[in-house]
Amino acid sequence: GAVVSQHPSWVICKSGTSVKIECRSLDFQATTMFWYRQFPKQSLMLMATSNEGSKATYEQGVEKDKFLINHASLTLSTLTVTSAHPEDSSFYICSAYRQGDEQYFGPGTRLTVT
Amino acid sequence: GDSVTQMEGPVTLSEEAFLTINCTYTATGYPSLFWYVQYPGEGLQLLLKATKADDKGSNKGFEATYRKETTSFHLEKGSVQVSDSAVYFCALSENTGGFKTIFGAGTRLFVKA
Repeated sequence: GAVVSQHPSWVICKSGTSVKIECRSLDFQATTMFWYRQFPKQSLMLMATSNEGSKATYEQGVEKDKFLINHASLTLSTLTVTSAHPEDSSFYICSAYRQGDEQYFGPGTRLTVT
Repeated sequence: GDSVTQMEGPVTLSEEAFLTINCTYTATGYPSLFWYVQYPGEGLQLLLKATKADDKGSNKGFEATYRKETTSFHLEKGSVQVSDSAVYFCALSENTGGFKTIFGAGTRLFVKA
């Protein structure tokens, strides 16, 4: 089956620092990856669509300079939360779309900013 | 824009009870419809899907039928188990390049032994 991994699975950082989250499709190539944010007991909010080799497309209201997305290869996309603040604490989930198939979700990364 | 509306939870049932979680959608085109499940502390897993009208998706005893006339995709299971306790998300995708997916708010299900 198609497997998507995320690293780290959880991270605690201090306010003002930056955190990088990796999303990898382990056994398939993903031309498109998505980044979601999930608040406690709420649904997933799409943050951005990441296409390999091009700039990410951000949803309305998502700060591009704060949430940097890089899709460097067909199997890796990274989300960097810059100058993190406590309100950025959340569960971040990525998904990878396999062409002609469906999207597969990573297990998520829980970010806590202190 | 496209949207998904699903019944609010939490839903609490006894083991072996019948489950229905309602889901309706609004879309400009002809979307694919999905149910995802999220177990505590885990990421989303695709439970079932349907890609066109009147299709029935099924998996692990769960079923949902794509009803274009009522724009619905209700999730059902005849006999729930404690292990079915999770959050269930209804979702749609317009299939227009890139597979962008819109999720409903999620419905939390508790099944008591």
